[in-house]
Amino acid sequence: DAGVIQSPRHEVTEMGQEVTLRCKPISGHNSLFWYRQTMMRGLELLIYFNNNVPIDDSGMPEDRFSAKMPNASFSTLKIQPSEPRDSAVYFCASSTSDTQYFGPGTRLTVL
Amino acid sequence: QQQVKQSPQSLIVQKGGISIINCAYENTAFDYFPWYQQFPGKGPALLIAIRPDVSEKKEGRFTISFNKSAKQFSLHIMDSQPGDSATYFCAANKGGNKLVFGAGTILRVKS
Repeated sequence: DAGVIQSPRHEVTEMGQEVTLRCKPISGHNSLFWYRQTMMRGLELLIYFNNNVPIDDSGMPEDRFSAKMPNASFSTLKIQPSEPRDSAVYFCASSTSDTQYFGPGTRLTVL
Repeated sequence: QQQVKQSPQSLIVQKGGISIINCAYENTAFDYFPWYQQFPGKGPALLIAIRPDVSEKKEGRFTISFNKSAKQFSLHIMDSQPGDSATYFCAANKGGNKLVFGAGTILRVKS
């Protein structure tokens, strides 16, 4: 199994630009989670889906952030417009039970 | 009530020593307590997990001790090795739902 796949691995963009992060969960997993990791705030859950349906988006910082899961094998996290304070490592994780399997992350830098 | 408090923030241990990381929680509904290990540039990976029906679980050099009455659990790394140097996160969840993570402990094992 290839594990959770995220793209891109690194993204550098300028303030105000739209950023789209992508995730392919492990085949057969029915839950998908988006996290953000920073030194200051640690690992924060942004949103999670169960069977492609958003269950809890209370961690999404503001309306500039949106996430979709159009099918069981793909999810996106979009930031529009991006701001320097959005710079962080964004992780996607998937699970079929209690254990979550994390992807390698996308390091986002907003200049 | 959703928080998991983790200590210490950082830890330096000599090679061959015992590393101990502690976590405390408030929500008695939590029923799954995993520990994740994260190396620089990688996503967190499940190390070991426990459920509250047992007080201890051991996998190789890694042991979780669980004290239900005190609402505390800890990770012990026996015979610590330089390759164990990483960031460790405790977490908790209820019924396969979203994980609540501790703030993390940066472990450095000196050779």
